[in-house]
Amino acid sequence: GENVEQHPSTLSVQEGDSAVIKCTYSDSASNYFPWYKQELGKRPQLIIDIRSNVGEKKDQRIAVTLNKTAKHFSLHITETQPEDSAVYFCAANSNYQLIWGAGTKLIIKP
Amino acid sequence: DSGVTQTPKHLITATGQRVTLRCSPRSGDLSVYWYQQSLDQGLQFLIQYYNGEERAKGNILERFSAQQFPDLHSELNLSSLELGDSALYFCASSGRSGGNTGELFFGEGSRLTVL
Repeated sequence: GENVEQHPSTLSVQEGDSAVIKCTYSDSASNYFPWYKQELGKRPQLIIDIRSNVGEKKDQRIAVTLNKTAKHFSLHITETQPEDSAVYFCAANSNYQLIWGAGTKLIIKP
Repeated sequence: DSGVTQTPKHLITATGQRVTLRCSPRSGDLSVYWYQQSLDQGLQFLIQYYNGEERAKGNILERFSAQQFPDLHSELNLSSLELGDSALYFCASSGRSGGNTGELFFGEGSRLTVL
C-alpha cells in the first residue's frame, strides 16, 4: 500500500538552532502534503501545508520544501524556541486518504 | 478550540466490555475521521465518513464499528475490548475540500483505558 516514511524519529537541537524533518512518499499521484504539530497531551494541529504545484512555502520560522521528482518533502524550523518542543507528523494524500508518517519528537535543549 | 467536540474525554472500562465514543464535527463540515493513537505512537487512521456514508477505511478492527448520523455527528463503537485497545481516540472533521486536500480539525480526543 501507499507509504510515508518520516525521519528522524527523535531530533534534539539547541535552542536557537534549526531543525529539519524529512519525509518520503510512495504515491506519485499525491499532491497535498500537510504537517501537523502535536504538543504533549494535546490534539494535532496543522502548522503548514504544501501542494504539488509549488516547491517551497514559508510561514515565519517554518518552511516546507517539496521535491516531486524524488518524492520527498521536508519541514524546516529556524531559530527554534522551547515552544517548538512537540511531535511533528507529516502526511501525503493518496486515494482520498491522508497517509501519515510515524512522527518526529522534537526536543529543544536550553 | 477546533470546533470539534468529543465525548467522553476519559473512559475507564474492563476487558470484554463495549463503549461508544461520540463526535460532533465543526459546523458545516461533512467529513468525519476517526484515529487511534496508542501511547507514544503515531496516528492510526480507522475510518472516514462523508455526509453519512463511509468513504475510506483504514486499519479498523472488526470489533470496531462507526457511523455518521443525518445531523453529521458520528459514533465509534468498540466492543469486546482488550487491554491493547487502550489509547487516545481522535475525531477530526474537514470541509467540502475533504481532509485529503485540506485541513483536518481534530477534537481533544477520548482517552480509553481498558483494565
